Order: sequence, then structure tokens, then C-alpha cells
Amino acid sequence: NAGVTQTPKFQVLKTGQSMTLQCAQDMNHEYMSWYRQDPGMGLRLIHYSVGAGITDQGEVPNGYNVSRSTTEDFPLRLLSAAPSQTSVYFCASSPRTTGRRTGELFFGEGSRLTVL
Amino acid sequence: DQQVKQNSPSLSVQEGRISILNCDYTNSMFDYFLWYKKYPAEGPTFLISISSIKDKNEDGRFTVFLNKSAKHLSLHIVPSQPGDSAVYFCAATDYNAGNNRKLIWGLGTSLAVNP
Repeated sequence: NAGVTQTPKFQVLKTGQSMTLQCAQDMNHEYMSWYRQDPGMGLRLIHYSVGAGITDQGEVPNGYNVSRSTTEDFPLRLLSAAPSQTSVYFCASSPRTTGRRTGELFFGEGSRLTVL
Repeated sequence: DQQVKQNSPSLSVQEGRISILNCDYTNSMFDYFLWYKKYPAEGPTFLISISSIKDKNEDGRFTVFLNKSAKHLSLHIVPSQPGDSAVYFCAATDYNAGNNRKLIWGLGTSLAVNP
């Protein structure tokens, strides 16, 4: 019953450092995405993938890179961390759906990142 | 510019009473709406959804009502239980999102159900 697993749960970085937030799902979901949650801003989509080898930008992609080499994994890379990237990051996945039943996402527990 | 608005940041109700959480939207292209529930230190979990072709969807104690003309939806929880205490997010998407699952989220309403 692992579902969506995110690591690490907590991370403190200094400005300019790089790191990767890991996300793995064991439900064979085609769709995966990364969100950030900030006070007063709600959840905002960073990047998403509709399948292995396919990624695209969301609302707030700047400063982040993603790749999707397998169905299971969708890492989020911060190339040069900035204080503005201090946030809680959520990875989410969704199965391929038919008809109009879109949007039922399965979320990980979140990764809290602080950039000093 | 918030396309999905939850104007009440918090709500407090007594156990056993009805909880009503409200959500307004501005984009007339939205045709599918979802409610998620979030406990502290956990990710959001899907609760209930409604398509724009319906005006009501019910799942146990949870009912979502959609008023398209008013661009308004509400989540009713009856009866409310202490375990319902959480943050509730309203989200919306339009059919053109297709497989992109581009949900637009409200800021959430924190519900406290008091014993």
C-alpha cells in the first residue's frame, strides 16, 4: 500500500545549492505531477508528465527541472535553490482515465523545503 | 486572479451538525469540480467530485451541490464528526485539460468539528 512516496520529507538548503526531490508511485499511474503549496497561494502546478518520456510545464516551472524515464519515478530538480523556493512540495499521480473523470489525484505526504 | 475562491478560511461546527463549505469560481469553462481533504503533515486526499452536467452528487455523509448559473458549489457534511476536522480544498478543471489534469485550486477552508 505504498501509493505515492516522496523523499526527503524535510530538507534545508543554502541559496545556490542544488537538490532533487524524489517521487515514486507503485500504482502504474500514467500521469504524475509536482505541486507547491505556499500560504495564501494554494496549490500550484510546477511540472507534470502524461507518461514516460513526456513532461510539460505547469503554472510555476521556473527554477525546476523534471524528467520521466520510467512510469514509476518523477524526480523534481532544483538547480540553484533560492529562498523563494521555500515551500511544501507535493507529488501526485493519476491513472489513465476515460470519459470525463479527470483530476482524481493521489498525493504523496509532501516534502518541506527551506532555502536559507 | 483567483479563478477558484474559498472565501471562508475557517469554519467551526458542533459534532453532529451540518458543515457547509463553499466555493465560487469565475471560469465558465470549468466543467468538473472536486473536493479534497487534507490533514496536517499529509497530502490531500480526494473526497468527492461533480460534473457540470449534474447539480448534486452524494457519497455517504458528503454531498456536493453545483449551481452553474451562480458559479458556486458547496460541500455538505452531515453529520459532522471530529475526524472531519481538516482543511478542505475545492478544485476545478475544464474538459480541454484532457489528460493534463490541470486542476485549479482554491486556498482551502479549515474545518474544526468540536465534540
